[in-house]
Amino acid sequence: EPEVTQTPSHQVTQMGQEVILRCVPISNHLYFYWYRQILGQKVEFLVSFYNNEISEKSEIFDDQFSVERPDGSNFTLKIRSTKLEDSAMYFCASRKGLADTDTQYFGPGTRLTVL
Amino acid sequence: GDSVTQMEGPVTLSEEAFLTINCTYTATGYPSLFWYVQYPGEGLQLLLKATKADDKGSNKGFEATYRKETTSFHLEKGSVQVSDSAVYFCALSDLQGGSEKLVFGKGTKLTVNP
Repeated sequence: EPEVTQTPSHQVTQMGQEVILRCVPISNHLYFYWYRQILGQKVEFLVSFYNNEISEKSEIFDDQFSVERPDGSNFTLKIRSTKLEDSAMYFCASRKGLADTDTQYFGPGTRLTVL
Repeated sequence: GDSVTQMEGPVTLSEEAFLTINCTYTATGYPSLFWYVQYPGEGLQLLLKATKADDKGSNKGFEATYRKETTSFHLEKGSVQVSDSAVYFCALSDLQGGSEKLVFGKGTKLTVNP
């Protein structure tokens, strides 16, 4: 069964450094998403992406964050200058379409630790 | 804004016990409702969903009914197994209201003992 993959599984970085989290969505999916979960808190929406554009973003997704689909397979989340509070599990998701029968499929997550 | 409230965990049950995890929601529109499950070390997997009032979602022995009058979507299973041990997330999305995002509850950790 096709699945969403994410790399790396765990990333440790120093405060102020840039990080890029990578995701490979399911191949025929057109809608892409990033969520994060700070330890002990809710899974929170960050951004949705379609047709090479951001379609929706949350208040969390400020100028420090960016997303890109650099080729036909990868979908990346970049954090320009990491803060301690960016430490979280980051989940990528993809969706084929917007019909009721379509749902978001999630990757296993990348645990980001900012020191 | 839209929100989901679910039963605080953790929940510990013996095998073959009955499970209920409560979930209520607040939404301005007419959302779709979901239960996702996260097994240890894995990502979020869709367990079941319902897109309109009185719909019942079911999968792997789990069920949940979309109750508009009580704004609830409680998860139930008649006889849990050790393999059901996981974290369960209730979520909604309001696509008709113009948003694709999933809004999640905080998650309920279930442990089933043999």
